[in-house]
Amino acid sequence: EDQVTQSPEALRLQEGESSSLNCSYTVSGLRGLFWYRQDPGKGPEFLFTLYSAGEEKEKERLKATLTKKESFLHITAPKPEDSATYLCAVPRGGSNYKLTFGKGTLLTVNP
Amino acid sequence: NAGVTQTPKFQVLKTGQSMTLQCAQDMNHEYMSWYRQDPGMGLRLIHYSVGAGITDQGEVPNGYNVSRSTTEDFPLRLLSAAPSQTSVYFCASSTTQGTNQPQHFGDGTRLSIL
Repeated sequence: EDQVTQSPEALRLQEGESSSLNCSYTVSGLRGLFWYRQDPGKGPEFLFTLYSAGEEKEKERLKATLTKKESFLHITAPKPEDSATYLCAVPRGGSNYKLTFGKGTLLTVNP
Repeated sequence: NAGVTQTPKFQVLKTGQSMTLQCAQDMNHEYMSWYRQDPGMGLRLIHYSVGAGITDQGEVPNGYNVSRSTTEDFPLRLLSAAPSQTSVYFCASSTTQGTNQPQHFGDGTRLSIL
């Protein structure tokens, strides 16, 4: 059974203090990993797709990386507007309409 | 640029009542899915559809029905609401075009069952 575990559950940073979020997964034959951002009262918003080990994707202050067992979301010099819950998910059986999600990391960036 | 639209945004029901959560997408996506999100748990798949007329069960389907008569719409029905169905429900859609295309989510329906 596919499993996705995110850590930490919550992370509090000062503005400008860089850090990383972790997503470890157990799947039979990874066919992609997705990162989403979720703001309070909103649906998940797509950030990145990673497909193969060694792949990296960047968007503003965020960089996502992928190994054979886990993915990291690196946040460089975060700002308060980066505060959100970050979710990672893997497609069950390789089907992008059947995602298995982690429980998320609640990131708070204080000014 | 509506994307995925869910209605209503909020709903309070009494135990035993029925209701339909609406989901519509304007991106001509073939795939659509319903998830529920509960505190301390990740999003869990309820039902999904790979095209009009085709639906299947996800991880937590009990107590819910779906149908897909058009590409655009994918309603979720609660036949007899139970307090355990208090949750936030999200609808998502994705295309078949390309590899590993992400799902796009609506903003959810917050449902309370008393």
